[in-house]
Amino acid sequence: RKEVEQDPGPFNVPEGATVAFNCTYSNSASQSFFWYRQDCRKEPKLLMSVYSSGNEDGRFTAQLNRASQYISLLIRDSKLSDSATYLCVVMVVNNNDMRFGAGTRLTVKP
Amino acid sequence: GAVVSQHPSRVICKSGTSVKIECRSLDFQATTMFWYRQFPKQSLMLMATSNEGSKATYEQGVEKDKFLINHASLTLSTLTVTSAHPEDSSFYICSARDRQGGNSPLHFGNGTRLTVT
Repeated sequence: RKEVEQDPGPFNVPEGATVAFNCTYSNSASQSFFWYRQDCRKEPKLLMSVYSSGNEDGRFTAQLNRASQYISLLIRDSKLSDSATYLCVVMVVNNNDMRFGAGTRLTVKP
Repeated sequence: GAVVSQHPSRVICKSGTSVKIECRSLDFQATTMFWYRQFPKQSLMLMATSNEGSKATYEQGVEKDKFLINHASLTLSTLTVTSAHPEDSSFYICSARDRQGGNSPLHFGNGTRLTVT
């Protein structure tokens, strides 16, 4: 079993749709969680951190469920510019152990 | 915000030569930096964890003698692809975290696209 697993995707949605990604992790000692987006042929860029109480940034909402060991990302009112690959990153802070999901590709179509 | 600079952004070299890629944290210190490789339409693959002042930790299947990592200071890590071959052509990306730690995220360099002819 992979340490971090994401929805395989790809997700193809129309503009304005709401789409959700999940990411499960196996290491219960994981302490920090992030969502990154990666555009084609570019480096990943931080989209948002994921806080225990859940957090929202505009159309994006991130949630953490420690009991079930998963994080989620919800994108509302999706835009064409949201098309990218979304990566979840899980970290054990003390030993700098960071693990990536394989990424989920999202394509938003007009 | 935190910036990681990677250089060069693109390099074309002949088979058998070596290529050095630099990764610098510009406004923070990083005791640990990470090196990844990404083939087209595939996910990021962690190659190694670079530790300042000590040996790098390589992921399973990554040849340490082929991919030499040097983390000589708190702001610089280098990856040298030795005796490069066409199959080493890939997108190489580094990342780093602020040594202040806590819940600070990873910051990525802009990547190096290596083409070996």
